[in-house]
This record gives sequence, C-alpha cells and structure tokens, in this order.
Amino acid sequence: DTAVSQTPKYLVTQMGNDKSIKCEQNLGHDTMYWYKQDSKKFLKIMFSYNNKELIINETVPNRFSPKSPDKAHLNLHINSLELGDSAVYFCASSQDTLGRVSTEAFFGQGTRLTVV
Amino acid sequence: RKEVEQDPGPFNVPEGATVAFNCTYSNSASQSFFWYRQDCRKEPKLLMSVYSSGNEDGRFTAQLNRASQYISLLIRDSKLSDSATYLCVVLNTGFQKLVFGTGTRLLVSP
Repeated sequence: DTAVSQTPKYLVTQMGNDKSIKCEQNLGHDTMYWYKQDSKKFLKIMFSYNNKELIINETVPNRFSPKSPDKAHLNLHINSLELGDSAVYFCASSQDTLGRVSTEAFFGQGTRLTVV
Repeated sequence: RKEVEQDPGPFNVPEGATVAFNCTYSNSASQSFFWYRQDCRKEPKLLMSVYSSGNEDGRFTAQLNRASQYISLLIRDSKLSDSATYLCVVLNTGFQKLVFGTGTRLLVSP
C-alpha cells in the first residue's frame, strides 16, 4: 500500500504543451506539498496546502497551478511547458500543519519531467 | 545565502569508517530539525529527527547546537548500503515549511 502516490512516474513532452501530475496520499494527513528537484539535486518547495487551502506559494510562475479537490489529493497542472521546467517533481504530505514539532514528511516516488 | 547549507561532498570513505556531516541554518526561529536520506533516483526518506539533547539511532548520531545554528550527523562503522545523499532539513514554522539543504553525498567503498 503506497502512502503517497503520484502519477505519472515519467513524463516526456514538447515545449508549449500543458500537462498534469496527480498526487494522492492515504495517510490521513492534512498538509500536502509539491517540491521541485533540479539537475543539481536541490529540493525546493513550490506549494503547500493544508486542508485544501493554499498556505505557501513559493514565487512559482503562474504557469504552475496546484489544485486540491480534497485533503487527500494535490494535483499540479503546468501550462506552456518550458525547457527549464525539466526536473523531478515530488509530492509529499505530513500530519497537521507544520506548527507541530517533529512532523515527518512522506514523499511520493517523484515524476521525472523532461521537456524537449 | 541559502537557508540551509551543507557541504555537497562527495565523501568517499572505506567500509567501517566513521564519517561526519555538518549543516548550518540561517533562521534562528527554526524549531525542528531532521536528517533525510535520498538514494539515487528515489524519494527522500526520514533518517532521524534531531533533538536538542542529541540523539542516537544505532550507528547514527545527530547533534544540534542552537547557539551556533549547527546540526551534525555522525555515521559509525559505515556500510556499503549507507551510500546515499544525506539531506539536512529544517522546519521553519514561521512560514510553515520544510527547508532542505542541498545534500551531502556519501560513497562507501569496499
């Protein structure tokens, strides 16, 4: 039973296309995130949602639009893909808001996006 | 300056060696600290939380120095399976986010 699952695992697409990545967690967590890991392996937060409400939008271009239909799902839609969007995108979840101490984040397996 | 700084390595050590990683953070209001491990082409996974009093889990020991804003991870008796990237992570409760360091790569050789 996968705790945080995201699909697809690999995504190869042409510049200018629109694509979506889906994420679901079955841990009953309240908070979900999207992280981007670039070619230098640096993991940077993009968005954070708590109970379907946006908490953090880390100056991500508005071509990236997260959608949280319920607290178990956080999808990422990307419009007009650019070469620089190529990266691994990780979905994660954690229990409650991060105001709690010592809260572990569980990550999905990642989506390797390649824009050509 | 990055919020969480780590030496990217790689650290090349033989099996059985002891190796230490350091990490510094810039936000003095940070409240919780962690070490995550990431294997090649895999997702990050929690290795251990870091407590003010220091904590140990088998061969792994984590230390926190709030005054110096410094976190460390010590691995004793390194195994081949310890080869991975170790990510220092800080919980920034003011902005409600986990901030990751760039990671330190460890290669353990026979």
